[in-house]
Amino acid sequence: QQPVQSPQAVILREGEDAVINCSSSKALYSVHWYRQKHGEAPVFLMILLKGGEQKGHDKISASFNEKKQQSSLYLTASQLSYSGTYFCGSSSGGSNYKLTFGKGTLLTVNP
Amino acid sequence: NAGVTQTPKFRVLKTGQSMTLLCAQDMNHEYMYWYRQDPGMGLRLIHYSVGEGTTAKGEVPDGYNVSRLKKQNFLLGLESAAPSQTSVYFCASSYPSGALGMNTEAFFGQGTRLTVV
Repeated sequence: QQPVQSPQAVILREGEDAVINCSSSKALYSVHWYRQKHGEAPVFLMILLKGGEQKGHDKISASFNEKKQQSSLYLTASQLSYSGTYFCGSSSGGSNYKLTFGKGTLLTVNP
Repeated sequence: NAGVTQTPKFRVLKTGQSMTLLCAQDMNHEYMYWYRQDPGMGLRLIHYSVGEGTTAKGEVPDGYNVSRLKKQNFLLGLESAAPSQTSVYFCASSYPSGALGMNTEAFFGQGTRLTVV
């Protein structure tokens, strides 16, 4: 079962912040975040393995609330290069290795 | 290192034809995955493998078969192509971590754009 992402799309001006959410109806073992530019393959951003864990990658960070089965990706002071589709992936429901993805969030950063 | 390589990159099939998509990785990864990507649907898991000689069904396995005879290769077969299988197909690989074999960073191939007419 695919994790559920929200919002479906976000439009920002350069320098603004955004939050992308990911939730699952099944117990999550891990949450992955990827970014895909148009016409390219998805690229790994980060993985979160523990409840409440936070990680950062440049000005992009994420949190994972294992009890709530939710993760959020935080993009601060967005740059033009942040534009793309963001996918959350999860291993859940008794499988540590079956990796399923949400439908994605299209992020557009304008000058 | 090449990483994950998919062959072919583009293909046009007629309805009813069969074909095989090849995914090859040179990172010695245990786990391999096949996804299809359609507009508004995200990445949907077709089949996956946790090691040589093993395969398992994902979310949308109907109409596809897979084989993992060698650790570095994961083949996706379309037995009788249908227009509904027009899509971009991505292969990915990753390695297990920890005692529970948790999957880690997934590396994706560049995709195969398949059109069935």
